[in-house]
Amino acid sequence: GNSVTQMEGPVTLSEEAFLTINCTYTATGYPSLFWYVQYPGEGLQLLLKATKADDKGSNKGFEATYRKETTSFHLEKGSVQVSDSAVYFCALSDRYFGNEKLTFGTGTRLTIIP
Amino acid sequence: NAGVTQTPKFRVLKTGQSMTLLCAQDMNHEYMYWYRQDPGMGLRLIHYSVGEGTTAKGEVPDGYNVSRLKKQNFLLGLESAAPSQTSVYFCASSPGTGRSYEQYFGPGTRLTVT
Repeated sequence: GNSVTQMEGPVTLSEEAFLTINCTYTATGYPSLFWYVQYPGEGLQLLLKATKADDKGSNKGFEATYRKETTSFHLEKGSVQVSDSAVYFCALSDRYFGNEKLTFGTGTRLTIIP
Repeated sequence: NAGVTQTPKFRVLKTGQSMTLLCAQDMNHEYMYWYRQDPGMGLRLIHYSVGEGTTAKGEVPDGYNVSRLKKQNFLLGLESAAPSQTSVYFCASSPGTGRSYEQYFGPGTRLTVT
């Protein structure tokens, strides 16, 4: 079955530090890959996505590249801000079976200190 | 445009009581989902619907029932609540297969069963 493994947290960084949150996946078919962000007390919001190999998703300074050869979709940001403190979820949607069920990783809590 | 809304936001139940969680979306989406979020577990799919009048089981359906009588609403029922059902419940919707695989989430319902 499908699975997503992401870097365990919590992760604490200083403002303006470089961020990487690792995500690897196992899937049959040809999945789309997503990063969702959950701010305190809120639901999940889509941060970025990539639908095929070598695609790069980007939004709000965050980037992730769909690497089929390493089955990875690592999230990066060059200079984090206090407002980036949140829980980040990597997810995949397996299109092969014609459905849109998302499989989530367990989430990585990120705290940025001034 | 409210997106995805959930009621109630918080609820405390005694073991054995029943309740219904309501999810509503105003984006004319075909697909709707119910997830539960538990610490260290990420989000797990309870039930989902691919259109009005249809429902299907997800990863953790036991103890829950759902109905989708109208396209815009997706109800999650607990017939006899158990402490193991203490969780945060999220509803989501998406346009449908072949168009977009992004899911839009509601703000969540925090349920405590004592």
